[in-house]
Amino acid sequence: GNSVTQMEGPVTLSEEAFLTINCTYTATGYPSLFWYVQYPGEGLQLLLKATKADDKGSNKGFEATYRKETTSFHLEKGSVQVSDSAVYFCALSPFQKLVFGTGTRLLVSP
Amino acid sequence: EAGVTQFPSHSVIEKGQTVTLRCDPISGHDNLYWYRRVMGKEIKFLLHFVKESKQDESGMPNNRFLAERTGGTYSTLKVQPAELEDSGVYFCASSAKVGQGAAEQYFGPGTRLTVT
Repeated sequence: GNSVTQMEGPVTLSEEAFLTINCTYTATGYPSLFWYVQYPGEGLQLLLKATKADDKGSNKGFEATYRKETTSFHLEKGSVQVSDSAVYFCALSPFQKLVFGTGTRLLVSP
Repeated sequence: EAGVTQFPSHSVIEKGQTVTLRCDPISGHDNLYWYRRVMGKEIKFLLHFVKESKQDESGMPNNRFLAERTGGTYSTLKVQPAELEDSGVYFCASSAKVGQGAAEQYFGPGTRLTVT
């Protein structure tokens, strides 16, 4: 079956620190991979995506690389800001519907 | 362009009562999805409409849940009768493409349902 495992949060960082949120997946076939973000009081927003092995998705300073050999899609950012505080969801899509991880809350302090 | 909207934003009902959630997708989007997040766990797929037809309802938990999308525009999700374990945040999403995988889904803000 299809499933996503994310590191548990919360992840607490100081501003300008380096961020890594781990995500690994189990899937049949070759799904697309996504990171979604939910800011306080808002809906989910697509942050970045990768559709095939070795693709790198990037947006707003965040990056994630589709690693087929390790079945991973870790989210990274070199220097986080207070405004990055949110819940981050890793997801895969074997076809239409999305399969999500449990979400990781990120708290960035000034 | 308006995004996906959901109503109400929050609903508190007693066990055994009925609640109807509404989702208005982005205009012109044929695909409409319902998801649910229960108690800080993962967001789980409930069902997928293509226009007015149910394409995949494999995630619907039981027959107390009824989803409709008359006319292929807005959708409703009715829970009758509600149970305590139905509490959670219900998300709606829509996407434009029909018949293609991995199209970007645009999410609404969610409806927080609390069953007491």
